[in-house]
Amino acid sequence: QVQLEQSGAEVKMPGASVTVSCKGFRYTFTAYYMHWVRQAPGQGLEWMGWINPTSGDTHYTQKFQGWVTMTRDTSISTAYLELNNLKSDDTAVYYCARDRGTINWGLSHGLEFWGQGTTVTVSS
Amino acid sequence: QSALTQPASVSGSPGQSITISCTGTTSDVGAYDYVSWYQQHPGKAPKLMIYEVTHRPPGVSDRFSGSKSGNTASLTISGLQAEDEADYYCSSSTSGNVLEVFGTGTEVSVL
Repeated sequence: QVQLEQSGAEVKMPGASVTVSCKGFRYTFTAYYMHWVRQAPGQGLEWMGWINPTSGDTHYTQKFQGWVTMTRDTSISTAYLELNNLKSDDTAVYYCARDRGTINWGLSHGLEFWGQGTTVTVSS
Repeated sequence: QSALTQPASVSGSPGQSITISCTGTTSDVGAYDYVSWYQQHPGKAPKLMIYEVTHRPPGVSDRFSGSKSGNTASLTISGLQAEDEADYYCSSSTSGNVLEVFGTGTEVSVL
């Protein structure tokens, strides 16, 4: 069964940076788009962007442009989400999620497999 | 991109059917057949229930069905069961079918 395994919880000071990782198992990592979604405490889901693991191309929603970076290392089937200049309202659970659509056929926009989530707490 | 609009809560008795609406615009829900629905139990990751408006992934009960009319998509849960009690989110493609936007979320209660 496809599995996405994320890195552990992080606690950061305001203004710091953090990197969350997401390792894919039991599928061809480069064949599917990977999305990142966050959820603040008690709030709804917020889509952040996606990365094409084959080309490294990324698309971010406007809110995250300039301070969020999505990358990948295909040799270890791992995607990364880097957040810079953290603020207290960036405190959230961050999820990676694999699209149903393949790189060859295009985005399906259905996020079929999800990581377990990584809690990032920003506090002084 | 503004979040899609969902009712805050919907409730029903066991065995009944309920429908959750998801209202967007001509730039998202109305523009593409890329509406998905997710179920999220407390403390858990979301689960894909419907993709591309009407399609169910393997393993999802056929009690869940999706539809769309104009700028509004809908998720219907038939034969409501206690285990269906959860938060539900819609999502849609937007901005030239490149980006994604989620709905505000709906809490489903089984009375």
